[in-house]
Amino acid sequence: DAKTTQPNSMESNEEEPVHLPCNHSTISGTDYIHWYRQLPSQGPEYVIHGLTSNVNNRMASLAIAEDRKSSTLILHRATLRDAAVYYCILRDDGVGDDKIIFGKGTRLHILP
Amino acid sequence: DVKVTQSSRYLVKRTGEKVFLECVQDMDHENMFWYRQDPGLGLRLIYFSYDVKMKEKGDIPEGYSVSREKKERFSLILESASTNQTSMYLCASKMGQYNSPLHFGNGTRLTVT
Repeated sequence: DAKTTQPNSMESNEEEPVHLPCNHSTISGTDYIHWYRQLPSQGPEYVIHGLTSNVNNRMASLAIAEDRKSSTLILHRATLRDAAVYYCILRDDGVGDDKIIFGKGTRLHILP
Repeated sequence: DVKVTQSSRYLVKRTGEKVFLECVQDMDHENMFWYRQDPGLGLRLIYFSYDVKMKEKGDIPEGYSVSREKKERFSLILESASTNQTSMYLCASKMGQYNSPLHFGNGTRLTVT
């Protein structure tokens, strides 16, 4: 399975943009890039996903490199409530059993 | 909104006991998953199911079994609990279509003494 690499932790100031990187150099042509986040004492929640083009939704933006070997989750204006662990995972669109593997993620600290 | 409910938030069991962790989802999702989460190890997949009575092993199935007799319910069973199974257990569900998002419950923190 293609794997992802993320920094263990990052810090950012409140009300500033945050760029969370993810490397996936062995990504295949049918792999989608998904992001989840896990707030304290909760299960993970879906944030966004994409294949090739950049994607935006109400929670975040996803920027995907042209060669698809890396991507960046962008929080446009971080708040204290964005402090969480962020997971970048790959999902193969061609696999029926959809075994979904998470890594260790990036712990994001927001400084007031 | 999709709701994934795990029957207990906290559970304390003794070594050797048989333990059942229950998970129910209310959105008619085909696929259901059990993960465990430990500090420094992230989320690890134990078992998943893509249909009633169907199950597939994840990355760490040893010491666990599962049951899916009804579409909405996915049970994780520890046949003989051990202290190394002390962990946070997370259940998730999703629609059968590829790339549909996972919906997680809030977890069961199991302590085996």
